[in-house]
Amino acid sequence: KQEVTQIPAALSVPEGENLVLNCSFTDSAIYNLQWFRQDPGKGLTSLLLIQSSQREQTSGRLNASLDKSSGRSTLYIAASQPGDSATYLCAVGHRGMNNNDMRFGAGTRLTVKP
Amino acid sequence: ETGVTQSPTHLIKTRGQQVTLRCSSQSGHNTVSWYQQALGQGPQFIFQYYREEENGRGNFPPRFSGLQFPNYSSELNVNALELDDSALYLCASSLFPGLGTLGNEQFFGPGTRLTVL
Repeated sequence: KQEVTQIPAALSVPEGENLVLNCSFTDSAIYNLQWFRQDPGKGLTSLLLIQSSQREQTSGRLNASLDKSSGRSTLYIAASQPGDSATYLCAVGHRGMNNNDMRFGAGTRLTVKP
Repeated sequence: ETGVTQSPTHLIKTRGQQVTLRCSSQSGHNTVSWYQQALGQGPQFIFQYYREEENGRGNFPPRFSGLQFPNYSSELNVNALELDDSALYLCASSLFPGLGTLGNEQFFGPGTRLTVL
């Protein structure tokens, strides 16, 4: 059974700091890994999608890496801003009977202080 | 391009009642997945619909059921509501990948907040 874990559960940093969020998964047979942002009480906004054959993806100040063999992904946020404050979720597309069945971690709640 | 929309945004029901939640998929997408997100947790996969049929199901009882319509929109129905059904219900749309291809990016709607009293 695929288990997805995100560490830390919460993180508070001063504005301008570079930071790394971690995601680990137990079964490396994945189709892809997707990072999302969720503001309180809202839906999920897709940030980056990494296919299983890729090692990383970049979008603006965000960079996500994937190491399938070790079951790990990191989301790097450069020069953090107060507007980055949100919960960040990672999800793996599991290679099972339903290839769009995504398994989520519980998220990392990020606070960026001005 | 129209994004994923869900209705209603909030709903309050009592135990034992039935509820129907609605989702319109993003333009060009043919697959809809439903997730339940309890407070402080990640979303849990309920089921997926493709070509108007259920295409995979998570660990949810049969009182959770759904439909997909020819225009790819979808409904989630929950019968005999329980207190633990209180959650944010999220709908995600995507393109169903062909055999052997990679999983596609999922796009989520804003969710429906269901409170069961």
